Amino acid sequence: GAVVSQHPSRVICKSGTSVKIECRSLDFQATTMFWYRQFPKQSLMLMATSNEGSKATYEQGVEKDKFLINHASLTLSTLTVTSAHPEDSSFYICSARKGQESGYTFGSGTRLTVV
Amino acid sequence: GENVEQHPSTLSVQEGDSAVIKCTYSDSASNYFPWYKQELGKGPQLIIDIRSNVGEKKDQRIAVTLNKTAKHFSLHITETQPEDSAVYFCAASNRNFGNEKLTFGTGTRLTIIP
Repeated sequence: GAVVSQHPSRVICKSGTSVKIECRSLDFQATTMFWYRQFPKQSLMLMATSNEGSKATYEQGVEKDKFLINHASLTLSTLTVTSAHPEDSSFYICSARKGQESGYTFGSGTRLTVV
Repeated sequence: GENVEQHPSTLSVQEGDSAVIKCTYSDSASNYFPWYKQELGKGPQLIIDIRSNVGEKKDQRIAVTLNKTAKHFSLHITETQPEDSAVYFCAASNRNFGNEKLTFGTGTRLTIIP
């Protein structure tokens, strides 16, 4: 089956610092990966679509300069939260699809706490 | 854009009974409808999905039904077990023309009472 690995699972950082989250497809290549944000007891909200070798496509209301996405290879996408603030504290989740007929596989998520 | 509504938001079921969660969608072009189970502190896990050319799909204790005309789809879990307790999300997308964006429902917290 398709496996998506996300790292780290938890991170605590100070306000003003930047945090990088990695999303890897372990047993398949993914030209497209997706980044979601989830607040407690709420649904998943798509932040951006990460495209290998090109710029990410951000959803309306998501600051692209704050949430930097890099998809440098077919198996790795990274989300960097720059100049983090407490309101950026959330659960961030990535997903990818193995092939045209496959379902979307999600990573295990990253709990970001900004203090 | 697509809008997905999900009901109920919470559901408590006696162990062994069935649970049903319902979703409606707004975009008639949507053609792919997955269901995810999310346990606390983890990412969503795909449990079953259905495409618009099929009306029903079953996998052991889990089944999904789709009514394209009414634009609603439902998740059915039979013979519920304590390990079925989790938050369940429905989602919809249009897989034509390279559009892969999933729109999620608001989630249902299912509690199985032993």
